[in-house]
Amino acid sequence: GENVEQHPSTLSVQEGDSAVIKCTYSDSASNYFPWYKQELGKRPQLIIDIRSNVGEKKDQRIAVTLNKTAKHFSLHITETQPEDSAVYFCAASIEGNMLTFGGGTRLMVKP
Amino acid sequence: DAGVIQSPRHEVTEMGQEVTLRCKPISGHNSLFWYRQTMMRGLELLIYFNNNVPIDDSGMPEDRFSAKMPNASFSTLKIQPSEPRDSAVYFCASSPGPSTAKNIQYFGAGTRLSVL
Repeated sequence: GENVEQHPSTLSVQEGDSAVIKCTYSDSASNYFPWYKQELGKRPQLIIDIRSNVGEKKDQRIAVTLNKTAKHFSLHITETQPEDSAVYFCAASIEGNMLTFGGGTRLMVKP
Repeated sequence: DAGVIQSPRHEVTEMGQEVTLRCKPISGHNSLFWYRQTMMRGLELLIYFNNNVPIDDSGMPEDRFSAKMPNASFSTLKIQPSEPRDSAVYFCASSPGPSTAKNIQYFGAGTRLSVL
């Protein structure tokens, strides 16, 4: 089955700096890659997703890139703010099938 | 829509007791997922249903765990008998279904289970 590795497990940045979280996946058939943000004590919520027919997608301060050949994808957050502090999960799936999540990255943005 | 609704939000029980967690998916969604989240193991998929039919239950840890979806608007996850190592947050999620173009999973608020 699919295996998703996520790095780093924790990331601390200064407010205003950029943050990058990286994931690799094992199943070349995977074609849907969402990112979820989970604030402390809350539910995971989708923040951005990308499908295998595009290499990059951007939504304001967040962007995701996908390299299908290398089987890795990344989340980029620019101009980080304290409210970006949360655990971020990447996931991979064959569209319409179950999601396999990475282990999560705890992002701390220091004011 | 109120989103995915889970109950109870918190459950404290003693080892050996039966625990039933409940989930109401978003109306019109055809897929339902049960996850378990712990610090050690992260987010684990336990089982998922398409159109009320269990598709993959390979994540169910052992026979003490069972899940049902008797209709499109209700699902249960049962643990019998419960053990302290079952303590975790259990999330239910639903999505429109595999045949849709944008198959996003929406999570419920979770049930925090503590088994003493």
